[in-house]
Amino acid sequence: DSGVTQTPKHLITATGQRVTLRCSPRSGDLSVYWYQQSLDQGLQFLIQYYNGEERAKGNILERFSAQQFPDLHSELNLSSLELGDSALYFCASSVALGRSGNTIYFGEGSWLTVV
Amino acid sequence: GQQLNQSPQSMFIQEGEDVSMNCTSSSIFNTWLWYKQDPGEGPVLLIALYKAGELTSNGRLTAQFGITRKDSFLNISASIPSDVGIYFCAGQSGNTGKLIFGQGTTLQVKP
Repeated sequence: DSGVTQTPKHLITATGQRVTLRCSPRSGDLSVYWYQQSLDQGLQFLIQYYNGEERAKGNILERFSAQQFPDLHSELNLSSLELGDSALYFCASSVALGRSGNTIYFGEGSWLTVV
Repeated sequence: GQQLNQSPQSMFIQEGEDVSMNCTSSSIFNTWLWYKQDPGEGPVLLIALYKAGELTSNGRLTAQFGITRKDSFLNISASIPSDVGIYFCAGQSGNTGKLIFGQGTTLQVKP
């Protein structure tokens, strides 16, 4: 158990819908990351938050957004869903930003299926 | 998206054999990480490397951070059935925690 908690574990929804994925980082971790894992693209970095502020952005679609709340939990919002958005979405956390020695721990993921 | 070149893509070996996999990149990284992912689970950190040339072991696992900072390898000695899974390398640069992942090496171990 990495200490990173993600909900829901599985989600099936229709195209055009909107879903919210939730992540609770490890106790004491200030940085939260979101990754998408699909068969064709592998593990792709989406976005990073540190202590409530966005710090880095990857290949995140405009239909997707995220935020980190004062209690440090984070939500990833996916809207106008398309079939191609079906993937495993991982949240990860670390104590600090990204300096050497900063270990990043992953949650078990939220499996999203768009039908 | 950006990815590291990880090889081999898959391996099917006999229990007790040693395994070697590697990652290369056209970019320099400050940190190299090796993760293992089991089906339905998130990636679990195996080894973290923070200095060029660094050689680090974790039980039967040994990994090295290439001198050029553009490559890394992972060795598993005396493989056992529970080593089965997908192994990912990941590189980190800059002052964020953004990780660039390899495509993964699927390891199967025959008892």
